[in-house]
Amino acid sequence: GAVVSQHPSRVICKSGTSVKIECRSLDFQATTMFWYRQFPKQSLMLMATSNEGSKATYEQGVEKDKFLINHASLTLSTLTVTSAHPEDSSFYICSAGGTSGIQETQYFGPGTRLLVL
Amino acid sequence: QKEVEQNSGPLSVPEGAIASLNCTYSDRGSQSFFWYRQYSGKSPELIMFIYSNGDKEDGRFTAQLNKASQYVSLLIRDSQPSDSATYLCAVSSNQGGKLIFGQGTELSVKP
Repeated sequence: GAVVSQHPSRVICKSGTSVKIECRSLDFQATTMFWYRQFPKQSLMLMATSNEGSKATYEQGVEKDKFLINHASLTLSTLTVTSAHPEDSSFYICSAGGTSGIQETQYFGPGTRLLVL
Repeated sequence: QKEVEQNSGPLSVPEGAIASLNCTYSDRGSQSFFWYRQYSGKSPELIMFIYSNGDKEDGRFTAQLNKASQYVSLLIRDSQPSDSATYLCAVSSNQGGKLIFGQGTELSVKP
């Protein structure tokens, strides 16, 4: 159980285009999903917390107009990188909040590697 | 002071040895603690969580929690080369399921 998928796994795009990344919880409902970014050799950086049916909460320094998050259902959240630039190239990972026994935890998707040319 | 601190490593141990990974946290009110493993180029995967003081064992892994000392550790017995990865310590916050991650410890198990 607790499987989270992401699509696409890898995307290459031209500078100025927008890219949408989907995150799905496959076998459980996730009220909350989280979006992270990770640059090479660095730790995870939380970008935003996405709650089903409400606006996402962005971390300090993350542009909400550039990284659009939509959590339309209990199993799907999307991140759209608008007008992508080379500095947005990174590994984007989502996680979904789930329960293991009585413990709430986060289960990660496999990640999406974005390369902006 | 960072909220969750780990030695970045790399920590190198020989195959078959015990690897000991340590983590300290600053928020005394933290309730739940997690260890994730991240292979190079992959996303993190949950190894185990702990929320009571003491030890919790799962196969070759043992998590240890000492809330008085604000310290959590992960022991890996009979380390294998396939255990070579970055291990992330995470602590729950009081903000809707949000986790606070350490910077990770890189473990290298030498055959």
